[in-house]
Amino acid sequence: DADVTQTPRNRITKTGKRIMLECSQTKGHDRMYWYRQDPGLGLRLIYYSFDVKDINKGEISDGYSVSRQAQAKFSLSLESAIPNQTALYFCATSDYRQASYNEQFFGPGTRLTVL
Amino acid sequence: KQEVTQIPAALSVPEGENLVLNCSFTDSAIYNLQWFRQDPGKGLTSLLLIQSSQREQTSGRLNASLDKSSGRSTLYIAASQPGDSATYLCAGSSFGNEKLTFGTGTRLTIIP
Repeated sequence: DADVTQTPRNRITKTGKRIMLECSQTKGHDRMYWYRQDPGLGLRLIYYSFDVKDINKGEISDGYSVSRQAQAKFSLSLESAIPNQTALYFCATSDYRQASYNEQFFGPGTRLTVL
Repeated sequence: KQEVTQIPAALSVPEGENLVLNCSFTDSAIYNLQWFRQDPGKGLTSLLLIQSSQREQTSGRLNASLDKSSGRSTLYIAASQPGDSATYLCAGSSFGNEKLTFGTGTRLTIIP
């Protein structure tokens, strides 16, 4: 089984709808991240969480919110989806406690299309 | 803030050749440099991570180097195979700001 899972894998929705993307991990890592990937722009950080009580905005947090329900679960919400939020969304984890220099591990991604 | 650049955006190489992918970064106070592989429409697979105190890391046919003074990292792939075709991304973070900043990737095609 995959260490980092994302649901759904694909989602098509309409402008104005509320959408939640979910991420779960079995790696026991303390840190979790949400990124979006757009062609030609690379991956950009939306939100990150260093533990359940520590949530921080990334470089493109406007229009998004997150919830860290448990160490293993980190959800991303689009309160009112708009077409320019169409992208590939990735969840990632890392464990700063290990001597891994914060190596990040990624989920398979969610392809979101907003019509 | 760390900025990461990968040139070229695309590269085609005949099967069997050795090749080098380039990654440049702006902040020499780099914390780590991570190389990923991404297949079309798929997630990112971590290939190698180089810590700030290291100069290189090796895994199988892959060797990644880090030169902090010149702001460069390279990923060397030996004896390329068609299965190596993918987009390769590098990402770096700085001390005091351990969030990764990604380059836009190099799309590698190995020609059989």
